[in-house]
Amino acid sequence: EEQLVESGGGLVQPGGSLRLSCAASGFMFSSYWMQWVRQDPGKGLVWVSRINSEGSTTSYADSVKGRFTISRDNAKNMLFLQMNNLRPEDTAVYYCVRGWGTISLGWYFDLWGRGTLVTVSS
Amino acid sequence: SYELTQAPSVSVAPGKTASITCGGDNIGSKSVHWYQQKSGQAPALVMYYDKDRPSGIPERFSGSNSGNTATLTISRVEAGDEADYYCQMWESSSDHPVFGGGTKLTVL
Repeated sequence: EEQLVESGGGLVQPGGSLRLSCAASGFMFSSYWMQWVRQDPGKGLVWVSRINSEGSTTSYADSVKGRFTISRDNAKNMLFLQMNNLRPEDTAVYYCVRGWGTISLGWYFDLWGRGTLVTVSS
Repeated sequence: SYELTQAPSVSVAPGKTASITCGGDNIGSKSVHWYQQKSGQAPALVMYYDKDRPSGIPERFSGSNSGNTATLTISRVEAGDEADYYCQMWESSSDHPVFGGGTKLTVL
């Protein structure tokens, strides 16, 4: 069964750091672009970051650029999100998401983890 | 940046047809994808490239996209279809995905 399992969420003070992890199983992880998408409590979906299959190219939403770093370990089938200088507005459920598509037609998200809650509060 | 507009809520009686729309400037020229999020669960893909259904999604779900509106249609609605539905497209200029604000489907 194809599966993504996030971990690492929790309560952190403003200005603090957290590292989210995502364990992939049941599919060839190294073949897929991976993303992080977050959802504020009771609100909609917001894309956070993307990394290509090799880990050589990354992209970030403007709201997290310079504070978050996405990375992956294909040997261990793991995706990571290092979050620094956290702000209260970063409070959300963070989903690990598999992307699929083409450069010409764009990308969609065909496999989602269950999410991990990050709460930034003093 | 590109914006996708969804009505906050849609209500439909069981057995009837629900139409959930996603508006955007000339959205018909772009590929639109749809996600279903049931209460307390993660989103799940229900339609991609406007009208293609992932395996396991019932034929009751269909999609279309033309002009300034993309539509997810659910025929013979069941209680289990009650969920939030989000549309998504890929903004080529920024190379980022864009999500609509979501529509809550209530089955009366």
